[in-house]
Amino acid sequence: EVQLVESGGGLVQPGGSLRLSCAASGFTFSRYWMSWVRQAPGKGLEWVANMKQDGTEKYYVDSVKGRFTISRDNAKNSLYLQMNSLRAEDTAVYYCATQYGDYWYFDLWGRGTLVTVSS
Amino acid sequence: QLVLTQSPSASASLGASVKLTCTLSSGHSSYAIAWHQQQPEKGPRYLMKLNRDGSHSKGDGIPDRFSGSSSGAERYLTISNLQSEDEADYYCQTWGTGIVVFGGGTKLTVL
Repeated sequence: EVQLVESGGGLVQPGGSLRLSCAASGFTFSRYWMSWVRQAPGKGLEWVANMKQDGTEKYYVDSVKGRFTISRDNAKNSLYLQMNSLRAEDTAVYYCATQYGDYWYFDLWGRGTLVTVSS
Repeated sequence: QLVLTQSPSASASLGASVKLTCTLSSGHSSYAIAWHQQQPEKGPRYLMKLNRDGSHSKGDGIPDRFSGSSSGAERYLTISNLQSEDEADYYCQTWGTGIVVFGGGTKLTVL
């Protein structure tokens, strides 16, 4: 079955860190650009970061630059998001998603993992 | 600045048709977009990529009831023969150099 499964979410205090993982299966993970997209409670979708197949290109939304790091391990079919210096406004469900070819639209989504930043 | 604008809400009756609109910001009328559906308490689901000329490519398993069209800076998603399971949030999405942008979403209510 073609799927993405996120994990690693939870409750963390402001200023803390968390590492999210996304496990891919049913397709050749190494062929795809991958993204993280988040959704704050009751809000819309917001793209967070993405990464090229070989890791040579990474892009971030301005609000997370310098705090979040996207990475991947193609041998493990996994995508990661290291989140440092977390703020209350980072509270959201975080989804990983595949990008179609070299286009930047998402053709497969995971179910998400909830990150809550609160004291 | 690359921006997508969507109406916050729409409604239509069971079995009817509805046309949702996504508007590209000035200077970006040639951009392709993608439409995504998010049913309550679920993750998003890819519906289709929609080009400036109205051609579109749908995701696997997307019913023929879903179609796309374009006119200038407007990108449309038409859902015909509305079903109860079509009640969801619909997001358009596009991209530029080093950036991905989502519209604010349209909440569709099926009456």
